[in-house]
Amino acid sequence: DGGITQSPKYLFRKEGQNVTLSCEQNLNHDAMYWYRQDPGQGLRLIYYSQIVNDFQKGDIAEGYSVSREKKESFPLTVTSAQKNPTAFYLCASSIYRRQGINTEAFFGQGTRLTVV
Amino acid sequence: DAKTTQPNSMESNEEEPVHLPCNHSTISGTDYIHWYRQLPSQGPEYVIHGLTSNVNNRMASLAIAEDRKSSTLILHRATLRDAAVYYCILLYTGNQFYFGTGTSLTVIP
Repeated sequence: DGGITQSPKYLFRKEGQNVTLSCEQNLNHDAMYWYRQDPGQGLRLIYYSQIVNDFQKGDIAEGYSVSREKKESFPLTVTSAQKNPTAFYLCASSIYRRQGINTEAFFGQGTRLTVV
Repeated sequence: DAKTTQPNSMESNEEEPVHLPCNHSTISGTDYIHWYRQLPSQGPEYVIHGLTSNVNNRMASLAIAEDRKSSTLILHRATLRDAAVYYCILLYTGNQFYFGTGTSLTVIP
């Protein structure tokens, strides 16, 4: 079955440690996205990538880093510079939207990161 | 990016129709209107999208105003499984999926 997989579902880290969240998709999608969601809030865009080896910052990129070495994978690293890293992190993918083509985004089930 | 405005919360009785409104007064001619919903502790899932005409699928209907400055997601018979946060977002070519705070729908048995 095609889909988008995030792992792990729950992650605990000590303050000051970097941590990497995994996101893999087998939908052959060009575009991938990372969002952060805080309790009772909507989703905020951290980073997105439209093509391999290229990515752009979203609204809240500070304290995060990404890489896109393969089409299927878009890992997110939460660095020690991120002041409030505890949150629910969501990864998504979609076909890159060109003129006249409109598609939906597919989301993973999320990773809940808790930093203590 | 064009913005959308939705009520924070709505309630509906089970098996009754639900109309979820969305205002997007700054929509441009090439913006598509998308709806997603998010169940607790899960990622959002696609519901429906449209450009100008009303749209129907197995999950819902989307009614788009003639001037496209507002739209309404219609759930024809609400079930308890429809209790979720519903997001209305606008997309154009190359745009990113920007989500607001959405409408939290409560379904009353």
